[in-house]
This record gives sequence, C-alpha cells and structure tokens, in this order.
Amino acid sequence: GAVVSQHPSRVICKSGTSVKIECRSLDFQATTMFWYRQFPKQSLMLMATSNEGSKATYEQGVEKDKFLINHASLTLSTLTVTSAHPEDSSFYICSAVQGRETQYFGPGTRLLVL
Amino acid sequence: GESVGLHLPTLSVQEGDNSIINCAYSNSASDYFIWYKQESGKGPQFIIDIRSNMDKRQGQRVTVLLNKTVKHLSLQIAATQPGDSAVYFCAEGANRDDKIIFGKGTRLHILP
Repeated sequence: GAVVSQHPSRVICKSGTSVKIECRSLDFQATTMFWYRQFPKQSLMLMATSNEGSKATYEQGVEKDKFLINHASLTLSTLTVTSAHPEDSSFYICSAVQGRETQYFGPGTRLLVL
Repeated sequence: GESVGLHLPTLSVQEGDNSIINCAYSNSASDYFIWYKQESGKGPQFIIDIRSNMDKRQGQRVTVLLNKTVKHLSLQIAATQPGDSAVYFCAEGANRDDKIIFGKGTRLHILP
C-alpha cells in the first residue's frame, strides 16, 4: 500500500513554455501533499504544502505565480511550472500523507528546459 | 544554503560490515525524525522514524539513535549489502503529517 505516482517521469520543454506535473496517491486518499525540488548532488528542498480544496502554502523564496499548485481531489495534486527557463531544470518530487501517517514519496519527475 | 556543485559526503563501507551514518539536525523544537534512502533517479524511500520521546528505535537491520542534547541523529545499518548503496537523508519535523526539512545527505558506497 501507500503508493504515490508521478507523471510524466521525464519531460523536456522549450524555454518559455509551461509544464504540468501530476502527483497521484494510488491506493489511499491524501489529506496533504508536498512538492519538493532537488538539484544534482543536493538535498530535497520543500517548495510547498498542498491541502485538498485549499490554496497551497509556499515556502519562503518559492514564487507562487511561477509554480502553480492545484489539489483538486484527495488523490491528485498538480504542479505547473509556468514560463519555464533553463534554471527551472531540476528533479521535482511529490509526497503524500494519509491522515496522521508519514509521507510517502513519488518517483520524481526530471524536467529539462532547453 | 547549499551552493551549486557541492558534493555529498561519502561513506565507504566493506560489504558485510556495519554502517553508521550521522546527521546533525537544526531545529531543537523538532519532535519527529526520519531516515530516507534515495537511489539514483528515484524518490526517497522511508527507512525508519523516531519521535523525540525516544532515544533508540530498531527495525529490520537498521537502528536509529537520537541525542536531543546535541541535536544528533544516526542510522546504523547492520551487515551492509550491495543493495544498501544509495544516498541517505535525515529529515526533521513537528509531526508525522507535518512538513519536514531534509538534511544534506550522505552517499553510502559499498566496497566488495
């Protein structure tokens, strides 16, 4: 149990375009989902906390208009990188929480902006 | 914050030996601590967690030790195997379902 999926696993896009990444909890309802980004050989940096039906809470320094988060259902959260630029290239990882349990992580999405 | 190009510290251990990975956490108010394993190109995988009211917790082949006095956390892996090769992160938070902050990570390299 407690499987989290992400789609796509890899995406290459042109500078200036927008990219949507999906995070799904496959066998449980996630009250909260989190979005992280990870640069090569670095740790995971929390970007935002997403609760179903409410606005996401962004960490300091993360632009909410740049990284749009939608958590429309208890099994799906999406992260849209708007007007992507090469510096947005990174590994984006989501996690999901069911009730009072610990976070379960998705497999990550590798974004490359050309 | 971390600078671009910073290399992760590496711990090299002989196969079959025990591994000890250390972590210094930052927030004395944290009450929940977790160890994750991350293989290349994958998301973090939960290993073991511990609450602040405990100083030791054991799992299958793993033990986590917590010293709140010096804000130190360690992960011990018994009889290290080639499949243990990965980057290990500690993380801290207020509660299980609350946001967590990741530490810098240690790469575990298994010697044949």
